[in-house]
Amino acid sequence: GAGVSQSPSNKVTEKGKDVELRCDPISGHTALYWYRQSLGQGLEFLIYFQGNSAPDKSGLPSDRFSAERTGGSVSTLTIQRTQQEDSAVYLCASSLAGGRGDTQYFGPGTRLTVL
Amino acid sequence: AQSVTQLDSHVSVSEGTPVLLRCNYSSSYSPSLFWYVQHPNKGLQLLLKYTSAATLVKGINGFEAEFKKSETSFHLTKPSAHMSDAAEYFCVLNRAGNNRKLIWGLGTSLAVNP
Repeated sequence: GAGVSQSPSNKVTEKGKDVELRCDPISGHTALYWYRQSLGQGLEFLIYFQGNSAPDKSGLPSDRFSAERTGGSVSTLTIQRTQQEDSAVYLCASSLAGGRGDTQYFGPGTRLTVL
Repeated sequence: AQSVTQLDSHVSVSEGTPVLLRCNYSSSYSPSLFWYVQHPNKGLQLLLKYTSAATLVKGINGFEAEFKKSETSFHLTKPSAHMSDAAEYFCVLNRAGNNRKLIWGLGTSLAVNP
């Protein structure tokens, strides 16, 4: 079946501009995660959605970052007034129910470059 | 505090020789542990996971890992490396009762030489 998809695959933007990154999780998965992977670093948790519960936003690095998940499916990560340090690969993952042993399935990521 | 330490940032092996990628963890709770692989310009893929069942876990592509509570380790092994195994490998900890934030190691880059 279809995996997690993300768009765009690459995004180049100028400092100060806003960007939107999209994630389409696997159908039927109730849990959705956003991560950031900077060069030479492990993954950094950003935000987590589980069903209709309030999202866990504790990983968002600043108030320039926000995310929403409409209808329990597609999610959009928005970065306002981008800065050069926002350059990274942004990864989305989904899992069936968010349980402790649940496997997270990752999308291919969006590579964001802020000039 | 919960943490994951991958003891080697780079490992280089010859094709056909064994692979050992080391991972130690620290957790106050009974953990779930995962190994993910990331090939160049490709997405992360789950290799295997431990969730308090059998301590020796077999994954895809001939990889396996053994959970050793006494040593707080979850090392990844493969008897014979293949060129296609060259990739970045991540050891990941999921704390009991908290599925929201996986704790990721910094990764081990595996090079396989012909």
